[in-house]
Amino acid sequence: DSGVTQTPKHLITATGQRVTLRCSPRSGDLSVYWYQQSLDQGLQFLIQYYNGEERAKGNILERFSAQQFPDLHSELNLSSLELGDSALYFCASSVATQGTTEAFFGQGTRLTVV
Amino acid sequence: AQSVAQPEDQVNVAEGNPLTVKCTYSVSGNPYLFWYVQYPNRGLQFLLKYITGDNLVKGSYGFEAEFNKSQTSFHLKKPSALVSDSALYFCAVRAPSNTGKLIFGQGTTLQVKP
Repeated sequence: DSGVTQTPKHLITATGQRVTLRCSPRSGDLSVYWYQQSLDQGLQFLIQYYNGEERAKGNILERFSAQQFPDLHSELNLSSLELGDSALYFCASSVATQGTTEAFFGQGTRLTVV
Repeated sequence: AQSVAQPEDQVNVAEGNPLTVKCTYSVSGNPYLFWYVQYPNRGLQFLLKYITGDNLVKGSYGFEAEFNKSQTSFHLKKPSALVSDSALYFCAVRAPSNTGKLIFGQGTTLQVKP
């Protein structure tokens, strides 16, 4: 168990809908990252928050947004969903934002858009 | 731009034999390198990292990795493979910047046969 908790584990929704994925980082970790894993794109970095502020942005679509709350949990909001958004979404956390610390991953949320 | 290449989609080895999973990277400056393992329907688990110092890094479950700066490689190794090592392995690189985002390779499936 990595200590990173993601809910829900599975989500099935229709095209055009909006969903929210939730992540609780490991105790003491200030940095939260979101990644998308799909068969054709592999593991892609979406966005990073550090202590409530956005720190880095990757290949995140404009239909997607995220935030980190004062209690350090984070939410990834996906809207106007398309079939191609079906993927495994991972949250990871690390104690700092510098490069030497490893990130610990949650078990992911599998999103299926039908 | 940072990138990671894992040239083999799949590696097959017999139980008890040594294994190598290859990784090459491209990054400006000194890299921070990581290996993660993903079991079916699970999140990524951290195996080991190279930050600086000794080129041979030891990690979890008997795995080790050799950093070679001249060949820009960071191959994962294990002296004696177990059937339970069968999984998807990811190499990742992080540049020493003020963000912690990881750039992942496409992954290599390791199949260990009894």
